[in-house]
Amino acid sequence: QQQVKQSPQSLIVQKGGISIINCAYENTAFDYFPWYQQFPGKGPALLIAIRPDVSEKKEGRFTISFNKSAKQFSLHIMDSQPGDSATYFCAASAPGNTPLVFGKGTRLSVIA
Amino acid sequence: DGGITQSPKYLFRKEGQNVTLSCEQNLNHDAMYWYRQDPGQGLRLIYYSQIVNDFQKGDIAEGYSVSREKKESFPLTVTSAQKNPTAFYLCASSRRDTYEQYFGPGTRLTVT
Repeated sequence: QQQVKQSPQSLIVQKGGISIINCAYENTAFDYFPWYQQFPGKGPALLIAIRPDVSEKKEGRFTISFNKSAKQFSLHIMDSQPGDSATYFCAASAPGNTPLVFGKGTRLSVIA
Repeated sequence: DGGITQSPKYLFRKEGQNVTLSCEQNLNHDAMYWYRQDPGQGLRLIYYSQIVNDFQKGDIAEGYSVSREKKESFPLTVTSAQKNPTAFYLCASSRRDTYEQYFGPGTRLTVT
């Protein structure tokens, strides 16, 4: 049973546009929701994370929106650039430093 | 420089041979994790350890073994019992009191 569902699998966005990736979770005990960025052949890097006590968190061009009642959260990349082309993973974890549960990833391509 | 190192970057083995992947961290993190990544499958948890001399199975532990004799080291052995061992293996670590998990650069294992 997949605990974190991520969509879309792949995304093509024009340079300067907004990239939006969505995730939905099932476990209401989850209380930490990070996003990771991974370039080919590299390990994932922590991009931004949110806790359920806030509905939005912004860091530069990256914003997480969180909807606790719908059990959904999303990553918005504003002014998308070709250098943002990578695979993005959402994840979630429950209290007690339990391991992260990952979505299956979204491959983003930003074209000029 | 603090970080997580995985060696080697590429590893080739013949079917039927056991192989050990190295993971070392100098971040003084308590918890360490091993993930397997296959195309389109996201990151799947193999084993994790929250303290020295203790570890737990993840979702896909069959055919793998680990040890945690030192805080900074968490080697993964891929045994001959693992039916499809060719994959990209990622090690990660985190502090006990935070959720933030950091990844190493990965080891790509090819078994023929």
